[in-house]
Amino acid sequence: EARLSESGGRLVQPGGSLRLSCAASGFTFGNYAMSWVRQSPGKGLEWVAVISGTGGSAYYTESVKGRFTITRDKSDNTVLLQMKGLRVDDTAVYYCAKLPTKWYGEFYFDTWGQGTQVTVSS
Amino acid sequence: DIQMTQSASSLSVSVGDRVTITCRASEGFGNSLVWYQQKPGKSPTLLIYSASTLQSGVPFRFSGGGSGTNFTLTISSLQPEDVATYYCQQYASAPWTFGQGTKLEIK
Repeated sequence: EARLSESGGRLVQPGGSLRLSCAASGFTFGNYAMSWVRQSPGKGLEWVAVISGTGGSAYYTESVKGRFTITRDKSDNTVLLQMKGLRVDDTAVYYCAKLPTKWYGEFYFDTWGQGTQVTVSS
Repeated sequence: DIQMTQSASSLSVSVGDRVTITCRASEGFGNSLVWYQQKPGKSPTLLIYSASTLQSGVPFRFSGGGSGTNFTLTISSLQPEDVATYYCQQYASAPWTFGQGTKLEIK
């Protein structure tokens, strides 16, 4: 059974940086694309970033381009989201999510982690 | 960006009722649509993909339909454990976007 577990969320000041981590287990990690999705009361569910199974390709939603970076480490089956230049409207629960394929076509999420809270406030 | 609109933000229904939740896309895209269920305090879980294919392990009382711009999620006979918020999401083109959610409550 696929399992995802996020960590790293905390309170951070505007303009600060944070790194979220997602530990994956129960599936062949390199065979699946991985993503981060966030949820806030004001904006609902919002896809943030996705990375291919090989790690060679990544996409970002427009509002985080140039500020967030998604990477993956096959040595310990983790997905990372490096966030810098954080804004108040980045405040949300951040979910790590697994896609059903390595990359093409099926950009939805068949497994979700429990989420980690990121709060950006002074 | 494709905007996804769920017609009702909340529905109050009785146990045993047939419930239909609707989702409309701002532009047509075939059947690249999924439905998620999110129970209070929990993460979303995948119910249906490709608009009408039931995810493994999901009860058969759930079904999905539609294509193009109009999609539906139907629960044939509502059970108490179905109290949740339901979201649609399109995966036809990036950025992949979600509806705002429909919260089901028991009357």
